[in-house]
Amino acid sequence: DIQMTQSPASLSASLEEIVTITCQASQNIGNWLAWYQQKPGKSPQLLIYGTTSLADGVPSRFSGSRSGTQYSLKISRLQVEDIGIYYCQQASSTPPTFGGGTKLELK
Amino acid sequence: EVQLVESGGGLVQPGRSMKLSCAASGFTFNNYDMAWVCQAPKKGLEWVATISYDGSSTYYRDSVKGRFTISRDNAKSTLYLQMDSLRSEDTATYYCARFRYSRGAFDYWGQGVMVTVSS
Repeated sequence: DIQMTQSPASLSASLEEIVTITCQASQNIGNWLAWYQQKPGKSPQLLIYGTTSLADGVPSRFSGSRSGTQYSLKISRLQVEDIGIYYCQQASSTPPTFGGGTKLELK
Repeated sequence: EVQLVESGGGLVQPGRSMKLSCAASGFTFNNYDMAWVCQAPKKGLEWVATISYDGSSTYYRDSVKGRFTISRDNAKSTLYLQMDSLRSEDTATYYCARFRYSRGAFDYWGQGVMVTVSS
């Protein structure tokens, strides 16, 4: 199985700050990388698919990028509603696997 | 509006069975692959199983192979997960999710249903 290693595990940031979360794939997954946001007590919501494509209705302050097998999610200006846990997920091969999650809190 | 509504969870003893259902609406159900993803308490997300749009292909994580069966009824726009020989480590919230194959992502999720395996 492909391992997805997310970092950091937790992150505290201020409003309007730039936030970056990374995900390292254990092997080449091309652009088959998605990001999800899970707010407290809620189900996950798709943010980004195909490494860089925003899902419907996702604010433009979210963006995704890739460098080799390292993938990044960037929030350009943190808002209160961005608080939650973020997960990456690869779909290059079965089984699809998720990263361990990054808990984003307000400082 | 896409809606996925799970039902059928609850408390079950180890070794017993439980069947989850997921009623879909707001999209053409038989055009999409569907999946179950679980989340143990205070833990991360874990894929459980996927079924192709027409039910002809199914895929499972190793730990549930031979115990869980994913199925669908396209006439009723409903997804199922039959869980047999349940173990304490199966305790989790189970989410029904639509899998967008072309995007490699689960683009819609249900609200989740809790399954607790305990004596």
